[in-house]
Amino acid sequence: DGGITQSPKYLFRKEGQNVTLSCEQNLNHDAMYWYRQDPGQGLRLIYYSQIVNDFQKGDIAEGYSVSREKKESFPLTVTSAQKNPTAFYLCASSRENTGELFFGEGSRLTVL
Amino acid sequence: GEDVEQSLFLSVREGDSSVINCTYTDSSSTYLYWYKQEPGAGLQLLTYIFSNMDMKQDQRLTVLLNKKDKHLSLRIADTQTGDSAIYFCAERSSSASKIIFGSGTRLSIRP
Repeated sequence: DGGITQSPKYLFRKEGQNVTLSCEQNLNHDAMYWYRQDPGQGLRLIYYSQIVNDFQKGDIAEGYSVSREKKESFPLTVTSAQKNPTAFYLCASSRENTGELFFGEGSRLTVL
Repeated sequence: GEDVEQSLFLSVREGDSSVINCTYTDSSSTYLYWYKQEPGAGLQLLTYIFSNMDMKQDQRLTVLLNKKDKHLSLRIADTQTGDSAIYFCAERSSSASKIIFGSGTRLSIRP
């Protein structure tokens, strides 16, 4: 079945460590996105990529990094520079004409 | 900048209609969306409306768009317990490069 796969679903990190969240899609979509979700704040855009080897900062990119070496993959690294990384992270890809987003099941990161 | 606003909570009785409202600021939005999120999961698209439409109906769902007032609503007829979730309104920005989300409305169903 086509879709977005995120891993891991749950992740615990000690302060000062970098972690990488995986996002893979087999929908053949060019555009991919990373959102952060905090309670009561909706979704905030971290980074997005409209094509392979290209990506742009979203509204809250500080402390995060991404790469887009393959169309299918858009990993997100949460660096130690991110001051408050505990959150639910959602990856998505979009259908070009309508902009409809297809989401993964999310990764919940907790910093201990 | 672009902004999307919605109320945080809505409680309805099972079998009644639910109406979730949303306002947005970008008058050049091309598409507006409603997404549903169940606990601990990603978002699923419920429906969307193109900006040149006033209404769209899909089974129990009715979307109304008032472009003049920049107001979007989602009506769920005959609300069931399985409709309990957070509902997000979203718009496609005029640059078409990103989707802007509201904060979500948590819909709870009482017997």
